Amino acid sequence: GNSVTQMEGPVTLSEEAFLTINCTYTATGYPSLFWYVQYPGEGLQLLLKATKADDKGSNKGFEATYRKETTSFHLEKGSVQVSDSAVYFCALTRISGAGSYQLTFGKGTKLSVIP
Amino acid sequence: DAGVIQSPRHEVTEMGQEVTLRCKPISGHDYLFWYRQTMMRGLELLIYFNNNVPIDDSGMPEDRFSAKMPNASFSTLKIQPSEPRDSAVYFCASSRLRNTEAFFGQGTRLTVV
Repeated sequence: GNSVTQMEGPVTLSEEAFLTINCTYTATGYPSLFWYVQYPGEGLQLLLKATKADDKGSNKGFEATYRKETTSFHLEKGSVQVSDSAVYFCALTRISGAGSYQLTFGKGTKLSVIP
Repeated sequence: DAGVIQSPRHEVTEMGQEVTLRCKPISGHDYLFWYRQTMMRGLELLIYFNNNVPIDDSGMPEDRFSAKMPNASFSTLKIQPSEPRDSAVYFCASSRLRNTEAFFGQGTRLTVV
């Protein structure tokens, strides 16, 4: 079945540091890929997405490129801020041959940014 | 739109009691998902509906869990009887089409004592 693997957290960075959170996936066919962010006490919200190979999703300074050859969708940001402290989830959606729709999340990576 | 609305936000109940969680999806969304989030297991898909019909309930832990969607604007997740290991945050999410983003509610934090 489909699966998403994220780097283990927590990740602690100083303000203005460079961020990378690795995400790899297992899926047949052509899934759509997403990064969601969860702030304390809230639900998940979409950060960015990519629907086909080589697409780059970007939002709020975050970027991720859909790499089919390496089955990866790593999240990056050039300069993190304290307000970026949250849990980040990589996810994929895919429609199976039988027509079943699957939305699968990784386990999440907690990011803490210190001043 | 107000987004996905869940109630209650917090629920504390005693073991053995029935618990009902409620969700109102975004109007016009055809897909509705119920997730459970714990530190140990992360986000687990419990069940999802398409046009009010349950499509995949393979994630429902056991018969104590049941979910319904009587109409396009309302869904419930019921646990009867509840157990301490059911303590978690339960999220409802909806999406308009397959392969598009899902919008999440703020979750219900359930504590079973």
